[in-house]
This record gives sequence, C-alpha cells and structure tokens, in this order.
Amino acid sequence: DAEITQSPRHKITETGRQVTLACHQTWNHNNMFWYRQDLGHGLRLIHYSYGVQDTNKGEVSDGYSVSRSNTEDLPLTLESAASSQTSVYFCASRLREGDNEQFFGPGTRLTVL
Amino acid sequence: SQQGEEDPQALSIQEGENATMNCSYKTSINNLQWYRQNSGRGLVHLILIRSNEREKHSGRLRVTLDTSKKSSSLLITASRAADTASYFCATEGGGFKTIFGAGTRLFVKA
Repeated sequence: DAEITQSPRHKITETGRQVTLACHQTWNHNNMFWYRQDLGHGLRLIHYSYGVQDTNKGEVSDGYSVSRSNTEDLPLTLESAASSQTSVYFCASRLREGDNEQFFGPGTRLTVL
Repeated sequence: SQQGEEDPQALSIQEGENATMNCSYKTSINNLQWYRQNSGRGLVHLILIRSNEREKHSGRLRVTLDTSKKSSSLLITASRAADTASYFCATEGGGFKTIFGAGTRLFVKA
C-alpha cells in the first residue's frame, strides 16, 4: 500500500545545530508540504513543492529550507535550530492542486534545548 | 494567519449524542475540507465540500457550507467513543494553498 513516512519520529537537539527531518511518500504525488503544529495555532505551512526542483515558502518559512530532487522525498532542514522551533512537524502530499485530499505522515516531535 | 476558525474549541458529549462543530473563514474559497486527528497521529481527511455545494454526507458525517456567511458545520451523528479526536477545517482558495484552523477537540464519553 502507498504511504507517507517521516523520520525520525522523535528528535532532541541543541540550539544552533542543523537538523534534517525526512519525508518519503510512495503515492507518486507531485505536491508535498511541510507543516508545524503548535497548541492553539493548528497547522501552519512551512514550505511546499509542486514537483521536482520546485520549492516555495509558506507562512512560517524563516529558519527552514527544503529541496526536492525526486518525486518521493522532501527533506526539511532547520539551518540553526532555535527553541522556538520546538514543535510537531507533519509532512503531507497530494496528487494535484484543488479538489482532493492531503495525505499526512505520522509526524516528528522535535525538541530544541 | 488562520483562515478557518473552529467553534467550539472543545466539546464533550455522551456516546450516542450528535456532535456539531462549526468553522468560519474570511476570504473566498474553492473548497473546504474537514480532517480528524487522533492523539499523536497525523491528520486524516474526512470530507471535502466544494464552494458550489451546500451539503454533503459521508456515513455518519454531514457537512454544510454557507458561502454567504463564510461558514461550515460538521455534524457527527450517533457519536462513538472512537470519534474522540481533534477535528480541523481547512480552506483552499486562490493559489491552491490549504489553510487549517486551530481545531475542535471532541471527547465522547462511553
């Protein structure tokens, strides 16, 4: 069965370190998204991609970067982790823009000390 | 910025009762979607309603959309303990970006 996976599921790091969160989907979806979820804010869009070599900034992109070298993967990098980036991160994918659902990964809980 | 605002923030009901959650949004949309999130899990899509639709059903779920009031409601009939979760509305507008609300936490007591 097609799926979307994230790794690691839990990560503790220190302020200033570079961290990369992995997202892999086997749906063969063109669109992929990274969100962060914080209490009281719902999900906020960090970055998104509509296809290979395409990346776009979302609502809260400062301090984050992504790259899309193939259809299956969209890794999220925190260049220099800050305590404000402690959050739960979700990756999602969908087939195309509009009129269809997003499929979410299980999430990565990141703690920055 | 949040597009969808769910109401209430939390809801506690008995098993067998109906649960109603509301969502209001600010700008024009192409569609509105409802998702469920169980504790510690990712979101799962429940239902999508297009801007030219007024009502949609899926099993025990009923969604309404009033574009003149910029609001939607999700009704879960005959609720079960397994329906305990957070429910999010998500709006998709121009540019096909999906914006999620802060969610309603539903607790169904057995």
